[in-house]
Amino acid sequence: EVQLVESGGGLVQPGGSLRLSCAVSGFTFSDYYMDWVRQAPGKGLEWVGHTTGKADSYTTHYAASVKGRFTISRDDTKNSLYLQMNSLKTEDTAVYYCARADFGLDYWGQGTLVTVSS
Amino acid sequence: QAGLTQPPSVSKGLRQTATLTCTGNSNNVGTQGAAWLQQYQGHPPKFLFNRNNNRPSGISERFSASRSGNTASLTITGLQPEDEADYYCSSWDSSLSARVFGGGTKLTVL
Repeated sequence: EVQLVESGGGLVQPGGSLRLSCAVSGFTFSDYYMDWVRQAPGKGLEWVGHTTGKADSYTTHYAASVKGRFTISRDDTKNSLYLQMNSLKTEDTAVYYCARADFGLDYWGQGTLVTVSS
Repeated sequence: QAGLTQPPSVSKGLRQTATLTCTGNSNNVGTQGAAWLQQYQGHPPKFLFNRNNNRPSGISERFSASRSGNTASLTITGLQPEDEADYYCSSWDSSLSARVFGGGTKLTVL
């Protein structure tokens, strides 16, 4: 059974940092692209970025809104995906989801809430 | 970043057919296709169709997906109360090197 479990969310002040984790199981992690997607309260889905799999050299791409502030990484030995978020802004407040990408985002975690507020 | 265009809301009667649209351009939907997600309030999105219009096991056959040019469509036949949800499309944009989402369509079953 495929499972994705996010952790690391919480309350952080503007300008602060936070690192989210996504632990996966049930599939060969290194074979897949993995995405981060966020959803602000009452809003739609917004792509944050992704990392490709081993076959594509773990390339990363980011949304313009987070480029230069957020970094996606992965550890295939631990079946884990990470999102390092720096210089956080109030508009980064959202539920953050990790998702597996396979011709679409086919498996999602339950999400972790990040609140950026003073 | 430019996203895909979805109507904010669609309302249809019980047992009727709803067709939800998702419009992009030749850099995304027109060449990459579109995937579809269903989301109930307070829950994570659920995968309905991949960009090749393939439905995973467990998704009702009342749901189907198609594409014509730069517009993708999700059709739901025999609407049921449990179909009332938000529906999102997504695609890869080759010019932006980014995944793009539609703003979502809230489907109401009357």
